[in-house]
Amino acid sequence: SSELTQDPAMSVALGQTVRITCQGDSLRSYYASWYQQKPGQAPVLVIYGKNNRPSGIPDRFSGSTSGNTASLTITGAQAEDEADYYCNSRDSSGNHLVVFGGGTKLTVL
Amino acid sequence: QLQLQESGPGLVKPSETLSLTCTVSAGSIRSNNYYWGWIRQPPGKGLEWIGSMYYSGTTYYNPSLKSRVTISVDTSKNQFSLKVSSVTAADTAVYYCVLSFSGYDFGYWGQGTLVTVSS
Repeated sequence: SSELTQDPAMSVALGQTVRITCQGDSLRSYYASWYQQKPGQAPVLVIYGKNNRPSGIPDRFSGSTSGNTASLTITGAQAEDEADYYCNSRDSSGNHLVVFGGGTKLTVL
Repeated sequence: QLQLQESGPGLVKPSETLSLTCTVSAGSIRSNNYYWGWIRQPPGKGLEWIGSMYYSGTTYYNPSLKSRVTISVDTSKNQFSLKVSSVTAADTAVYYCVLSFSGYDFGYWGQGTLVTVSS
C-alpha cells in the first residue's frame, strides 16, 4: 500500500490564495481527489481528475500535480472555505485500493 | 439527484458484528460502472477507506480490515451493506456509504451514521 501526507494545519487571510499539498508515491501514477469537510457534515468532493470540479463547486478551487505532490489551490479564500481538506488517490499497487491523506485543517483569518 | 442513506444500530458490543445498510434513491444500484463503498471516520480523526464493490460484484477491501469486512449488494432493495466482524472500540466511527464512478473519487456520500462499540 502507499501513504499520502498532508500538513495538519494551514491558515490563509481572507481573499488571499492558499495551496494545500498532498505527497505520496501513488500520485506519480494517479490523480488526487480533494474533499472539503465542515464540522458535523459529510465530506464534499471539490476536485477530481486532472483538474475537474463537480457541479456547484466554485471556480476558486483548482487542482494540480507535480511529481509526487498534488495541490489544491484556493484563489481568493472566503470565510466559508474554512474546513478540513482531505486528499485521496488510488493505491499505487494497482489493486484498486484507495488511500486518504490525514487531512489539513484550513483556517481563514 | 442520486442520494445515499445509511441505517443500522448505533451501538454494538465488543466482539460482535457491525452491520450497516445503505439505501440508494433516485438511481439504480445496478448501473454500469458504479463503485459502491464505505468510508469511516473515528471521532476527531481522518477518513479511512473500508472497501468498495464494483457493479459487476468484484470487491476491494482495505488490507488492514480485509479479514473482518464484507460488502454485499441487494439489488432487489436497491441497497448495499457493510459487515465488520469482531469489533473493538477502535471501530467506533462515523460510517459513510459512498459512490464513485472511477473507484476512488467519491462524488456521492451519505450523511453518515455514528457507530459506537461499547459494552
